[in-house]
Amino acid sequence: GDSVTQMEGPVTLSEEAFLTINCTYTATGYPSLFWYVQYPGEGLQLLLKATKADDKGSNKGFEATYRKETTSFHLEKGSVQVSDSAVYFCALHPNNAGNMLTFGGGTRLMVKP
Amino acid sequence: DAGITQSPRYKITETGRQVTLMCHQTWSHSYMFWYRQDLGHGLRLIYYSAAADITDKGEVPDGYVVSRSKTENFPLTLESATRSQTSVYFCASSNAGGAGYGYTFGSGTRLTVV
Repeated sequence: GDSVTQMEGPVTLSEEAFLTINCTYTATGYPSLFWYVQYPGEGLQLLLKATKADDKGSNKGFEATYRKETTSFHLEKGSVQVSDSAVYFCALHPNNAGNMLTFGGGTRLMVKP
Repeated sequence: DAGITQSPRYKITETGRQVTLMCHQTWSHSYMFWYRQDLGHGLRLIYYSAAADITDKGEVPDGYVVSRSKTENFPLTLESATRSQTSVYFCASSNAGGAGYGYTFGSGTRLTVV
């Protein structure tokens, strides 16, 4: 079945550092890929998405490129801020008639001033 | 207001009591979901619903009951609460279009069973 694997956290960075959170997936066909962010005490919010190979999703300075050849969708940001401290979830949708997302386990990011 | 709302935001209940968590969405999304989030386990799907009067089990359904008599509401009931059900519960909804849209989540209910 479909699966999403994220790097274990927590990831601890200093402010203005470069961020990469790795995400790889296993799926048949051509899934859509998502990154969600969960700030402390809140629900998950959609951060960005990509629906086909080589698409780049971007939002709030974060980017992720859908790489079908490596089955990856790594999240990157050039300069993190303290306010980016959150848990990040990678997810996929198989693009079939069902409507189920498969989530990774989440990666906690802590940014220190 | 438009959106997806969960209530209550916080709940403390005693072991053995019945408790119902509410979820309401205003978009007429056909799909709705209940997840629980626990440290070390990420998000785990409890139940989901593809439409009114259609529900199905997820990964961890034991001890929970759902109903969906109206498209906009999807309550989750713990019939006899146990300490292991202490968790943060999230409701989500999704457009029947599925692909490319993802889910919209509520703000969560933090449930403590004492």
